[in-house]
Amino acid sequence: QGQLVQSGAEVKKPGASVKVSCKGSGYTFTGYYIHWVRQAPGQGLEWMGWINPNNGATDYAQKFRGRVTMTRDTSISTAYMELRSLISDDTAIYFCAREASSGWFWGQGALVTVSS
Amino acid sequence: EIVLTQSPGTLSLFPGERATLSCRASRSVSSSYLTWYQQRPGQAPRLLIYGASSRATGIPDRFTGSGSGADFTLTISRLEPEDFAMYYCQQYGTSPTTFGQGTRLEIK
Repeated sequence: QGQLVQSGAEVKKPGASVKVSCKGSGYTFTGYYIHWVRQAPGQGLEWMGWINPNNGATDYAQKFRGRVTMTRDTSISTAYMELRSLISDDTAIYFCAREASSGWFWGQGALVTVSS
Repeated sequence: EIVLTQSPGTLSLFPGERATLSCRASRSVSSSYLTWYQQRPGQAPRLLIYGASSRATGIPDRFTGSGSGADFTLTISRLEPEDFAMYYCQQYGTSPTTFGQGTRLEIK
């Protein structure tokens, strides 16, 4: 079923940007959409958008348009999510997930803390 | 967007009991894209059920998904200690993908 491994925890100051990576292995990286979902402390799951690793097409949730960019590097089977102009409310665990017809398969998550 | 409402918010049961979790959509959802996840503290969501009723690989048969249209149910037939966790439903057949707010299953 493959695996997604994400980059480590980050601490950022308000106004900064963060870029989280998500490396796929054990499956055809270009064959499946990658979604990004975040979870604030003690809260539920919030979808941010997807990228098609095959052609780089993206779709972002309305809430994040203009502030998020999702990219990929197929040579190393890695997807990226960059979030800019960070505020304290962006403190969350950021997950990537591979969409398959048999459900989504998730990375382990990356904690991003925004604090002055 | 399709709003998914899970009930109850918290379910308190004893090990060995049966749990019934509900997921109601604001409009009809394609069953092919209705999933259930379990999330334990500090962990990523774990896929339990996809296509409304198909168990994911390695999921015990005490987990059963059912429903169609706008009403879906996850049933856990005999609760084991490791089943006490958060549960989320999700639909990804209509953009944007949405999740329910979750049901917390706790030990009574």
